[in-house]
Amino acid sequence: AQKITQTQPGMFVQEKEAVTLDCTYDTSDQSYGLFWYKQPSSGEMIFLIYQGSYDEQNATEGRYSLNFQKARKSANLVISASQLGDSAMYFCAMRGTYGNNRLAFGKGNQVVVIP
Amino acid sequence: DSGVTQTPKHLITATGQRVTLRCSPRSGDLSVYWYQQSLDQGLQFLIQYYNGEERAKGNILERFSAQQFPDLHSELNLSSLELGDSALYFCASSAIAGSTDTQYFGPGTRLTVL
Repeated sequence: AQKITQTQPGMFVQEKEAVTLDCTYDTSDQSYGLFWYKQPSSGEMIFLIYQGSYDEQNATEGRYSLNFQKARKSANLVISASQLGDSAMYFCAMRGTYGNNRLAFGKGNQVVVIP
Repeated sequence: DSGVTQTPKHLITATGQRVTLRCSPRSGDLSVYWYQQSLDQGLQFLIQYYNGEERAKGNILERFSAQQFPDLHSELNLSSLELGDSALYFCASSAIAGSTDTQYFGPGTRLTVL
């Protein structure tokens, strides 16, 4: 079974500063995918970034980057130059292989960006 | 906008009733997933369909059922509703069903059971 752990308490971040959201995972799969999603107060789930377990480079998408440390089983999300619109809940998720395509989610990290 | 549509956006009903949630995947996506988000359980996978066939089942109650139609839209049927079924129900879609496939989520249906 796959397990995702997000244990940080809610965070307040100053606008224009960077923020790192922690995610650790546990899986017995050799090949897997790691995802981050953003859920603003309006409720929708927005895909941010993906990292494959065999990807040699850390994924980046605009202001989002994923700090992937495979040996430590961590996949931290870094948001650079925070904006007020970044205030949201952020979920780390994992997807396995061999027919197990469901996403397993962590409990989320709450981020509030203050001006 | 992810391209995944869900209707209705909100649904309020009474215990014991039956409701149907509808999802249209992104154009070209063959795989549809249903998830439930509640305060106590978090986000949980319910069921997956791929090109009309059930592919995987998660923590889906026997009172719940789903199907995917030939035009690839999907419906989630919830019956004998209980207070604890109140949650945000998401549909997601992906192109195929591989592990690297990104799942794009719809806006969700918020179900309130009174």
